[in-house]
Amino acid sequence: SQQGEEDPQALSIQEGENATMNCSYKTSINNLQWYRQNSGRGLVHLILIRSNEREKHSGRLRVTLDTSKKSSSLLITASRAADTASYFCATDLNTGGFKTIFGAGTRLFVKA
Amino acid sequence: DTGVSQDPRHKITKRGQNVTFRCDPISEHNRLYWYRQTLGQGPEFLTYFQNEAQLEKSRLLSDRFSAERPKGSFSTLEIQRTEQGDSAMYLCASSLGWDFLYNEQFFGPGTRLTVL
Repeated sequence: SQQGEEDPQALSIQEGENATMNCSYKTSINNLQWYRQNSGRGLVHLILIRSNEREKHSGRLRVTLDTSKKSSSLLITASRAADTASYFCATDLNTGGFKTIFGAGTRLFVKA
Repeated sequence: DTGVSQDPRHKITKRGQNVTFRCDPISEHNRLYWYRQTLGQGPEFLTYFQNEAQLEKSRLLSDRFSAERPKGSFSTLEIQRTEQGDSAMYLCASSLGWDFLYNEQFFGPGTRLTVL
């Protein structure tokens, strides 16, 4: 079973618009990460937010974490066609180990 | 290239055969993960190693799957008596350190397995 569930499953926007993706999870976590996977390419780490952090920025990316609601959001500002990819949230469970659980992903399509 | 490498990149086998995949992590990374990904889904956790110790294994993993990391460097994943349901992309990832709050994983390109 997958711990993280992304919403929406698919998103289509125009270049220059902002894209927001949400992730919900079920159990206590150490951290939450977002990854990107382009068609035919590997997974690339985008950003990690620790369980004691609420917001983090990296370039055009902004991630928020609400542990009381067990949810996170990823905002991509001023999107580009090159941002077209699948985006996954991944949680490291707070079990004393490092089991990482990925969601099913949000497929983002940015139209030029 | 100092990233995570996997070999082979593609494997086609007949049902019932055994297959073995290799992963070479980034050299200074202590942690190594194996995942399986099918079309339209996120990576599914299979197992992970801290150095040479296999610390967790998914309950979804049947006894036909085994993984090793003999000297805490490269790792192998073996699937015995392959079934058509084993067809998937097998991903390896490694991460650096001991900090349980920080676990950025670097992924390899994957091995695509097709079981006929």
